[in-house]
Amino acid sequence: DTAVSQTPKYLVTQMGNDKSIKCEQNLGHDTMYWYKQDSKKFLKIMFSYNNKELIINETVPNRFSPKSPDKAHLNLHINSLELGDSAVYFCASSQDLNGGELFFGEGSRLTVL
Amino acid sequence: AQSVTQLGSHVSVSEGALVLLRCNYSSSVPPYLFWYVQYPNQGLQLLLKYTSAATLVKGINGFEAEFKKSETSFHLTKPSAHMRDAAEYFCAVSPEAAGNKLTFGGGTRVLVKP
Repeated sequence: DTAVSQTPKYLVTQMGNDKSIKCEQNLGHDTMYWYKQDSKKFLKIMFSYNNKELIINETVPNRFSPKSPDKAHLNLHINSLELGDSAVYFCASSQDLNGGELFFGEGSRLTVL
Repeated sequence: AQSVTQLGSHVSVSEGALVLLRCNYSSSVPPYLFWYVQYPNQGLQLLLKYTSAATLVKGINGFEAEFKKSETSFHLTKPSAHMRDAAEYFCAVSPEAAGNKLTFGGGTRVLVKP
């Protein structure tokens, strides 16, 4: 069983569309994250949730809206997609907020045309 | 504020040779430090972490890293490279009490020549 699973793995869409990426973890962790990796492999945190509560909300356009229906799921919805949103989006989880290991999903590659 | 600098975006080593990846950090509070590895088309996987215990940290796959506070460094080494070590390596820092907010370096791609 995959510990942190994201869907879809690949997503190609037109500018202006709205899309969602889903993430689920079966590790029983309390904390989940979204990271964005750009074309130069630079990784930057976008959001983190702990027990469904928003903890970290970096400077991200408000077109990006995370939702955590329960602590095992953290979805990312993106409105009005722009070319610059093209990237690989990684979901991750950790036991809690106390400096532990992050477990990453395999990534969702979003291409905006 | 915290930041991470990885010197060298690409490192090429021969199989069996020493692997040395450099990481320097800045942090206003005592840091936790991590090295992650990313194989092609996969997510990141933890190699090792420093959380204020022993300064020499051993990780998986024969890697180790040494925390040097005076140099604000956390360099990663492996005595003998293997072909399977070809991947992207990321150093990351997290302030001890900042809710696991990792800041990553720009990554170093390791190429292993036969």
